[in-house]
Amino acid sequence: GNSVTQMEGPVTLSEEAFLTINCTYTATGYPSLFWYVQYPGEGLQLLLKATKADDKGSNKGFEATYRKETTSFHLEKGSVQVSDSAVYFCALIPRGGANSKLTFGKGITLSVRP
Amino acid sequence: NAGVTQTPKFQVLKTGQSMTLQCAQDMNHNSMYWYRQDPGMGLRLIYYSASEGTTDKGEVPNGYNVSRLNKREFSLRLESAAPSQTSVYFCASGGSETQYFGPGTRLLVL
Repeated sequence: GNSVTQMEGPVTLSEEAFLTINCTYTATGYPSLFWYVQYPGEGLQLLLKATKADDKGSNKGFEATYRKETTSFHLEKGSVQVSDSAVYFCALIPRGGANSKLTFGKGITLSVRP
Repeated sequence: NAGVTQTPKFQVLKTGQSMTLQCAQDMNHNSMYWYRQDPGMGLRLIYYSASEGTTDKGEVPNGYNVSRLNKREFSLRLESAAPSQTSVYFCASGGSETQYFGPGTRLLVL
């Protein structure tokens, strides 16, 4: 079956530090990959996505590259801000599925201190 | 354009009570979803509806029922609530490119 594995958390960083959140996946074929972010007390928002190998998704200074050879989609940001404190979820949708059901990782909480 | 709305925002139930969580979207999406979020578990799909008039089970459907009332609305019903159903429930709509999530309903079952 399909699955997404995220690194264990929580993660605490100082403002302007470099961020990497690891994500690997298992799926048949080549799924579409997503990062969602959940700010405190809110629902999930799409942060970025990539739909084929070597694609790079980017948004709000965050980036992730679809690596087929390592089945990974790691999230990076060069300089985090306090406002980036949130829970981050990696997710996939299988290619060619009859319905677009997201499979999520467990999420990781990021806290950025001033 | 409100996106995805959910009611109520918070609810406390006693074991055995029933309730319905409401969800509506104004983006004209065919597909709608119900997820639950539990600490350390991520989001798990309860039920989904690929189009008006159709519903299918997700990963954790036991103890729940759904109704796709029309294209806009997709409700989740707990017939006899159990403490294990204490969770945050999210409705979403969309498709293979993006899913849009509501703000969530926090449910506590005592």
